[in-house]
Amino acid sequence: RKEVEQDPGPFNVPEGATVAFNCTYSNSASQSFFWYRQDCRKEPKLLMSVYSSGNEDGRFTAQLNRASQYISLLIRDSKLSDSATYLCVVKVGGNTGKLIFGQGTTLQVKP
Amino acid sequence: DAGVIQSPRHEVTEMGQEVTLRCKPISGHNSLFWYRQTMMRGLELLIYFNNNVPIDDSGMPEDRFSAKMPNASFSTLKIQPSEPRDSAVYFCASKIRDINEKLFFGSGTQLSVL
Repeated sequence: RKEVEQDPGPFNVPEGATVAFNCTYSNSASQSFFWYRQDCRKEPKLLMSVYSSGNEDGRFTAQLNRASQYISLLIRDSKLSDSATYLCVVKVGGNTGKLIFGQGTTLQVKP
Repeated sequence: DAGVIQSPRHEVTEMGQEVTLRCKPISGHNSLFWYRQTMMRGLELLIYFNNNVPIDDSGMPEDRFSAKMPNASFSTLKIQPSEPRDSAVYFCASKIRDINEKLFFGSGTQLSVL
């Protein structure tokens, strides 16, 4: 079983739609969680951290459910520019820990 | 800030040849990571260093792969001998250990082994 699992998609949605991605992780000792965004043929970039109480950044909302070991990302009022691959990332291993990436979920926002 | 610098951007080589990928992390960052990305397997962590010391190399596929970080501003990933299945995009990333988890990635090296 992979340490971090995501539905690869693609998710094809119209502009203005709300879309949600989920991610599950296998290591219950995982400490920190993040969403990264990767545009086609580009490097990944941090989108947002995921906090236990949930957090919001503009149109983006991240949630963490430790009991069920899953993380979610909600995008409201999606824009064409949101088209990208969204990578779920989990930190394992304490202070010297490593960041494990999911395979990514591809989003295509269409006009 | 120049960001994480990787070279070369593209590498095409023949099976059996030695390949060396290079990375210069952001100045002041003390953690460095090497990842490999393919369509089938996504982004896989190969090895990472804290303060130039390798911490976890469990992701290195086999003995053909080796990585070094002789100083805080330079790291190499070497494949010898290379095989077609090594074809992938190799990313180097750096961050400030324990301050936050924001990884800064280089632009990657697209490796094709024929």
